[in-house]
Amino acid sequence: DAKTTQPNSMESNEEEPVHLPCNHSTISGTDYIHWYRQLPSQGPEYVIHGLTSNVNNRMASLAIAEDRKSSTLILHRATLRDAAVYYCILRDVSGGTSYGKLTFGQGTILTVHP
Amino acid sequence: DTEVTQTPKHLVMGMTNKKSLKCEQHMGHRAMYWYKQKAKKPPELMFVYSYEKLSINESVPSRFSPECPNSSLLNLHLHALQPEDSALYLCASSQELGFGETQYFGPGTRLLVL
Repeated sequence: DAKTTQPNSMESNEEEPVHLPCNHSTISGTDYIHWYRQLPSQGPEYVIHGLTSNVNNRMASLAIAEDRKSSTLILHRATLRDAAVYYCILRDVSGGTSYGKLTFGQGTILTVHP
Repeated sequence: DTEVTQTPKHLVMGMTNKKSLKCEQHMGHRAMYWYKQKAKKPPELMFVYSYEKLSINESVPSRFSPECPNSSLLNLHLHALQPEDSALYLCASSQELGFGETQYFGPGTRLLVL
């Protein structure tokens, strides 16, 4: 399975935008880029996913590089509630051994300062 | 309702005990998952059920025994656990077992094995 690389930690101030990077240089054409986050003392929750085009939803935006070797999760105005571990995950839709699996990497710990 | 519930929230057990973890969802999802998460580590997949049949077992020791009695319920039976099995056990569900299906996680059961 293609791997992702994320910074161990990032910090932000409340109400400022946050850009969380993810590198996935060995991504294949059938890999979707998914983001989940895990708030303290909670299970992970889905944030957003995309394939090639940039994506927006009520939680965040996902910017995908033209060569798809990297992506950035954008939180437009960070709140204290956004403090969490953010996981960038590749999911191969072509089948194989990764079918149905969600393989978490180490993720980025986001700290939001008041 | 996008909620996955897990009981109990906390569990302490001795190495000779038998206990069970319970997970429930009422979203009509046909795939259910067990993950294990050690402190400061990402979740790791243990088992996957699809349409109440075991689809994936990630080579989990037999002291962990999953059961899916119906489409809404998932149990994890524990017997003769070791202290290193202490962890957060997360349950998740998705509409189907598929390559890009969003998984919805419960809050987890925090297990301590003495």
